Amino acid sequence: AQKVTQAQTEISVVEKEDVTLDCVYETRDTTYYLFWYKQPPSGELVFLIRRNSFDEQNEISGRYSWNFQKSTSSFNFTITASQVVDSAVYFCALSLTGNQFYFGTGTSLTVIP
Amino acid sequence: DGGITQSPKYLFRKEGQNVTLSCEQNLNHDAMYWYRQDPGQGLRLIYYSQIVNDFQKGDIAEGYSVSREKKESFPLTVTSAQKNPTAFYLCASSIDGRTRYLYGYTFGSGTRLTVV
Repeated sequence: AQKVTQAQTEISVVEKEDVTLDCVYETRDTTYYLFWYKQPPSGELVFLIRRNSFDEQNEISGRYSWNFQKSTSSFNFTITASQVVDSAVYFCALSLTGNQFYFGTGTSLTVIP
Repeated sequence: DGGITQSPKYLFRKEGQNVTLSCEQNLNHDAMYWYRQDPGQGLRLIYYSQIVNDFQKGDIAEGYSVSREKKESFPLTVTSAQKNPTAFYLCASSIDGRTRYLYGYTFGSGTRLTVV
């Protein structure tokens, strides 16, 4: 069964628009971790954030913010005032303490100047 | 700066030939991994190694082989038995296999393999 769903395959926005990337996960574990990675055209996945299941506080880092809601099993990622450099593929991932790691299929974001 | 180096960036192979992808890390990480990325399918684990001279199959190991003779190096061989080898291959590492779930991965910049 798929553990992480990123329903948005591709998104295009015009520069300076806000955009939200959705991530829905599935697990019965009470302890787990959620990650977001960015894959720019260069290919390397870059770590953005990690959140554990006991910390539901939203987080803001510059133009990036993350909304973690256990009630809906979602960990959504919002980019405010998008820029061309934000164009990339973004992956959401779920890790379990049994050392299992699940990636979503990724969302390709294109920011049009 | 510490990181993971994958080479080459682009690789072309004729059908029926084996090819080896290089992965080197200077992060002093114990665990290393190989992932395959195909459009629309996300990342799929091929092999991983938690310690030198030991490795385990991932979800799609058929047609691939690895070795871990040194902590820093984890080369992947794509053999002629791999039916559809054209893909983007990512090497990754973690501090150790036990804490991967806590800290996630550091990734290399990938090798794009094309079978011609």
